[in-house]
Amino acid sequence: DIVLTQSPDSLAVSLGERATISCKTSQSVFYSSNNKNYLAWYQQKPGQPPKLLIYWASIRESGVPDRFSGSGSGTDFTLTIGSLQAEDVAVYYCQQYYTTPPVTFGGGTKVEIK
Amino acid sequence: EVQLLESGGGLVQPGGSLRLSCAASGFTLSTFAMNWVRQAPGKGLEWVSGIDAGSGVGTYYADSVKGQFTIARDNSKNTVFLQMNSLRVEDTGLYYCARAAPLREVLISYLDLWGRGTLVTVSS
Repeated sequence: DIVLTQSPDSLAVSLGERATISCKTSQSVFYSSNNKNYLAWYQQKPGQPPKLLIYWASIRESGVPDRFSGSGSGTDFTLTIGSLQAEDVAVYYCQQYYTTPPVTFGGGTKVEIK
Repeated sequence: EVQLLESGGGLVQPGGSLRLSCAASGFTLSTFAMNWVRQAPGKGLEWVSGIDAGSGVGTYYADSVKGQFTIARDNSKNTVFLQMNSLRVEDTGLYYCARAAPLREVLISYLDLWGRGTLVTVSS
């Protein structure tokens, strides 16, 4: 199974500042035949279900603000919140779909306001 | 409105059974592979089970629930089920139903639609 390791476990960022979350996979999730990385990011606000933010490592889901961006390839990925807003307080998870089943998630990163 | 609505959770004693349901609306359920993902109190996300689109010939389980849980679908009723037997305290959590985006090259892709979850509590 592919293991996903997120860091940090939590971070506190001032409003308007940048937040950066890392996700490392235990093996590459890049498929050379289509040049795609099989990695997604989710946001889970308190008391709510997860919500898809990004897929193919960098494609924003419809309706997701452009302050959210995904980058990386192979085994190292980053979710960046360009200018943190109060409504971005949440736990963020990465997920691989290169080899499924099983679907595997990272442990989550909690983002708070400093 | 496109949505998933879970039901069937509750309090059950260790060793007991529950059957969760996930009712889909606003889209054609048969087109999508469907999944159950659980979240223990204060913990992260754990994929539990998935079922292929269409008639659901292929079913998949996490090692932690293999032989204990059974996933099924009834497209005519727009519903996915999770039969949970021999429940253990560690099965406690919020169980989400989630739709997988259709991708031919993988069995289960990213999860683009989630329900609000149904709470399962296993306790004596």
